Amino acid sequence: EVQLLESGGGLVQPGGSLRLSCAASGFTFSNFGLSWVRQAPGKGLEWVSAISTSGANTYYADSVKGQFTISRDNSKNTLFLQMDTLRVEDTAVYFCARVLSSYRAFDIWGQGTMVTVSS
Amino acid sequence: EIVLTQSPGTLSLSPGERATLSCRASQSVNSYLAWYQQKPGQAPRLLISDASNRATGIPARFSGSGSGTDFTLTISSLEPEDFAVYYCQQRNNWPITFGQGTRLEIK
Repeated sequence: EVQLLESGGGLVQPGGSLRLSCAASGFTFSNFGLSWVRQAPGKGLEWVSAISTSGANTYYADSVKGQFTISRDNSKNTLFLQMDTLRVEDTAVYFCARVLSSYRAFDIWGQGTMVTVSS
Repeated sequence: EIVLTQSPGTLSLSPGERATLSCRASQSVNSYLAWYQQKPGQAPRLLISDASNRATGIPARFSGSGSGTDFTLTISSLEPEDFAVYYCQQRNNWPITFGQGTRLEIK
């Protein structure tokens, strides 16, 4: 079964850091681009970041550029999101998603991990 | 940044009726338009990619159409499990953007 499983969410104070992980199974991980999408409580979907199959190319929303870093370890079938200098407005459920070629759609999603930034 | 505007914000219909959801882009996205369904507490599910291609396992009652700036998701005959929030998404240009969503509720 094709599956993505996020972990690493939790409660963090403003200015703190958190590293999210997304473990993949059931498909050839290195053949697919990947992405993070977040959803603030009661709000819509917001794309956060994407990474190419090799990790050589990365893309970020302006709202997180310079603050978040996406990476992947193809030997461990795992995607990461390093989140630094967290703000209250970063509070959201963070989903990892597999992308179709050219990043044109997200065909497989994880169940999400909740990140709460609060003092 | 390409802005996607979905309408209506909320659509109230009964099972068996036809649902028509709209997504309008602030500039052309060619056919790089996808549709998702999201139920409470769940991850989104891909319904349609490239404006009109149904994803694997998606029932035939879901169909997508359009190109350029105007797109439509049609559900031909609503089933009880179709009541959810629907989002459109584009990747013609970076950044990837989503519409604000249409809530499809039972009348």
